[in-house]
Amino acid sequence: NAGVTQTPKFRILKIGQSMTLQCTQDMNHNYMYWYRQDPGMGLKLIYYSVGAGITDKGEVPNGYNVSRSTTEDFPLRLELAAPSQTSVYFCASRTRDYGYTFGSGTRLTVV
Amino acid sequence: QQQVKQSPQSLIVQKGGISIINCAYENTAFDYFPWYQQFPGKGPALLIAIRPDVSEKKEGRFTISFNKSAKQFSLHIMDSQPGDSATYFCAALDGGATNKLIFGTGTLLAVQP
Repeated sequence: NAGVTQTPKFRILKIGQSMTLQCTQDMNHNYMYWYRQDPGMGLKLIYYSVGAGITDKGEVPNGYNVSRSTTEDFPLRLELAAPSQTSVYFCASRTRDYGYTFGSGTRLTVV
Repeated sequence: QQQVKQSPQSLIVQKGGISIINCAYENTAFDYFPWYQQFPGKGPALLIAIRPDVSEKKEGRFTISFNKSAKQFSLHIMDSQPGDSATYFCAALDGGATNKLIFGTGTLLAVQP
């Protein structure tokens, strides 16, 4: 049981490039979330999904996009990367008792 | 209304001491209050959680105290150990269809040997 798996762990992007952060969970959870973590700012919700085919915006969705074609996968797409998107990104899925299980994160630097 | 305010931002405690982190919220619809522990380079991990119908929950050295009328809750770490040094986040669940967690800004705890 791998839980929530995120890839890649680290990435450096140039301004204007695009990339997809991958997130996969094997717990058959319907609810999945993408957060970004900036120093001293806690975790901010980017996008979330309540099931396959259903996604919605969180607090800070600008510059990002998501899709949810299967229960297991919830990729986060960055189009036209900007320095403001330098952050650590965490994917999470909801466990049975409301607790979230987080992945180990993707550290992204945009230069 | 959707914020969770956490304090202090950082905390230094001697080994064996008590670490106390406080959080406050406004939205009375929040119905689940977890605490997460995060070590450097790792994702947050659920530490302990409480529902608003309970005033205190204890798991080992970790205790959540919950004051529903004041809309405040706190984490107490008894007999703090150097291995407890981490960032701690409180959170509140915005229930309903989306079940979104609203996080506090985090407290960096350092336990000195």
